[in-house]
Amino acid sequence: DTAVSQTPKYLVTQMGNDKSIKCEQNLGHDTMYWYKQDSKKFLKIMFSYNNKELIINETVPNRFSPKSPDKAHLNLHINSLELGDSAVYFCASSQDSRGGTDTQYFGPGTRLTVL
Amino acid sequence: GNSVTQMEGPVTLSEEAFLTINCTYTATGYPSLFWYVQYPGEGLQLLLKATKADDKGSNKGFEATYRKETTSFHLEKGSVQVSDSAVYFCALSRQGAQKLVFGQGTRLTINP
Repeated sequence: DTAVSQTPKYLVTQMGNDKSIKCEQNLGHDTMYWYKQDSKKFLKIMFSYNNKELIINETVPNRFSPKSPDKAHLNLHINSLELGDSAVYFCASSQDSRGGTDTQYFGPGTRLTVL
Repeated sequence: GNSVTQMEGPVTLSEEAFLTINCTYTATGYPSLFWYVQYPGEGLQLLLKATKADDKGSNKGFEATYRKETTSFHLEKGSVQVSDSAVYFCALSRQGAQKLVFGQGTRLTINP
């Protein structure tokens, strides 16, 4: 009964390739997010979606393109991968983020390694 | 801008020791404050939260009090266990911002 799931868990690829990470939540939440965790464990928001609508795009290169086919799914597609994209990417969801009080539930993460 | 600063890690303690991990924040308005924990190889889990000044969040023996006057949300536990070894993140969320702003994380290791 995984609440927020991501696939794949590990992703190893060459520079210049295009890859996707998928995220699904079964909590019935309206808002979903992508966060990036770098090698020093620092976490930073990349995108947030509310009911399939993009709310936040936090100065992420346009090689990163999120897509939300419905409010339970938020996928992340990355074009022309670079070494600096190596990180752990976390998907999260919350019921309604506008009030600022709701708990965000995180997926297990996808460790992306670009060679 | 909004930011969160946590005490530098790593922190190493013996089992049953008292734990404090300091967290201070800068934010406009009245943010909600959170502590998340990341166990090795896993995603983040909410440990506790407080949504207004003087609120105390608590869970699994951990506590933190939202102190508006000192803009702090320090995490404490009276007696730590080996199973508490993890990375702890302090975070804030503002109304309307639709994102969490995280501190840099503090790695905690508890030795038996």
